[in-house]
Amino acid sequence: AQSVTQLDSQVPVFEEAPVELRCNYSSSVSVYLFWYVQYPNQGLQLLLKYLSGSTLVKGINGFEAEFNKSQTSFHLRKPSVHISDTAEYFCAVSEGGYSTLTFGKGTMLLVSP
Amino acid sequence: DAGITQSPRHKVTETGTPVTLRCHQTENHRYMYWYRQDPGHGLRLIHYSYGVKDTDKGEVSDGYSVSRSKTEDFLLTLESATSSQTSVYFCAISRSGQVSGNTIYFGEGSWLTVV
Repeated sequence: AQSVTQLDSQVPVFEEAPVELRCNYSSSVSVYLFWYVQYPNQGLQLLLKYLSGSTLVKGINGFEAEFNKSQTSFHLRKPSVHISDTAEYFCAVSEGGYSTLTFGKGTMLLVSP
Repeated sequence: DAGITQSPRHKVTETGTPVTLRCHQTENHRYMYWYRQDPGHGLRLIHYSYGVKDTDKGEVSDGYSVSRSKTEDFLLTLESATSSQTSVYFCAISRSGQVSGNTIYFGEGSWLTVV
């Protein structure tokens, strides 16, 4: 069975600093990986996804993530964060390519001036 | 934004009462999903539907039932609400059951409090 571990429940960071949100997965078959963002009192919005091909994936709002099969990781990065990036970020996995996703517990990114 | 409307958006109900949440879509997507979101648990799949009258259980289906009598509507029913079902419920839709070439869209959530 697939599972997703987001190692940090909260990540505080100052504006314009770089940030990395960590995600590890476990699965016995091929996986497809996603990062979603949830702004307060809103639904989830897709940031980026890895299906195949290049292991470095670029998404919206300047975010990128790197798929590392040997370390079973899919960490999300941004070189310079803004106050508006304050939100909760969810890593998710699809095992075998099915659309029934398994989500991690989320990481709250708190950006302060 | 994907055409997903969840209703009600907020509801307070008493333990033991039945509750139905509605998800309505205007995209004619075949797949629809219900997730619940709880602190420390992320989102967990309750039920999903892959067509009219075709549904299947997710990870946390106990205490919930669903129905889909038309493509655009997916109903989630709590037959007898319990305090453990206090949560935020999200509906999602997708064109197909595969992630390749497909995007899963989420609604804005329904906040349910069971007292």
